[in-house]
Amino acid sequence: GQQVMQIPQYQHVQEGEDFTTYCNSSTTLSNIQWYKQRPGGHPVFLIQLVKSGEVKKQKRLTFQFGEAKKNSSLHITATQTTDVGTYFCAPNTGGFKTIFGAGTRLFVKA
Amino acid sequence: DSGVTQTPKHLITATGQRVTLRCSPRSGDLSVYWYQQSLDQGLQFLIQYYNGEERAKGNILERFSAQQFPDLHSELNLSSLELGDSALYFCASSVVREGTQYFGPGTRLLVL
Repeated sequence: GQQVMQIPQYQHVQEGEDFTTYCNSSTTLSNIQWYKQRPGGHPVFLIQLVKSGEVKKQKRLTFQFGEAKKNSSLHITATQTTDVGTYFCAPNTGGFKTIFGAGTRLFVKA
Repeated sequence: DSGVTQTPKHLITATGQRVTLRCSPRSGDLSVYWYQQSLDQGLQFLIQYYNGEERAKGNILERFSAQQFPDLHSELNLSSLELGDSALYFCASSVVREGTQYFGPGTRLLVL
C-alpha cells in the first residue's frame, strides 16, 4: 500500500529563521494537500497541489510538488511565532482512502 | 469556523462502555471522514462515507463502527472502550471524494 513519510518530525527554530518540511510518497500522487494544526486546534486546509513541478506561494509560505509527483515540500521564510503548529501533508493517489503524513511540529522561539 | 460541527466536545467515560460521537458536515458536503488523534500524534484515518455509503476504511478497530445518515450527518460508535481509546476524534467533510477537507473542532474522549 501507499507509504507516506514526512520529515522532520520536529523542528525548533529561532524567530526569523526559515523552515522546511518534506513529504515523500512511495507511489505517484494525483494531488497533495497541506494542512496546519495550531496547538489545541483542528487541522486547517492550506493548499492543494496538482501539477507536476507546481510551485505555489502564500505570503511567506512556498509549496512545491515534485516533478515525479511523489514528493512535496512546504517552506516558510522568516518564521514568526504565529507559524507555530503541526504541518501535515495529505497525499492522494486517486482512491478514496486518505492518508495523512505524521506531521512536522514547528516550534518558534521568540 | 469550518462549518463542521461535532458533539459532544468532551466525553469522559469508563472502560467497557460505549459512546457515540456525532458529526454534521458543512452544508452541501457529501463526504465525511473520521480521524483519531492520540496525544501529540498524527491523524489516523478511520473511515470515510460518501453520500451515505462507506467508501474507504483505515485502521478502524472492529469495536468501532460508523454510519452516515440520509441527512448526511454521521455518527461514530465506539464500544468496549479501553484506556488506549482516549484520544481526540475529528470529523471532516468535503464536497467530493478527494476535495479539501474541512475539519470539525473534535471530540476529546477520555476513558478512565
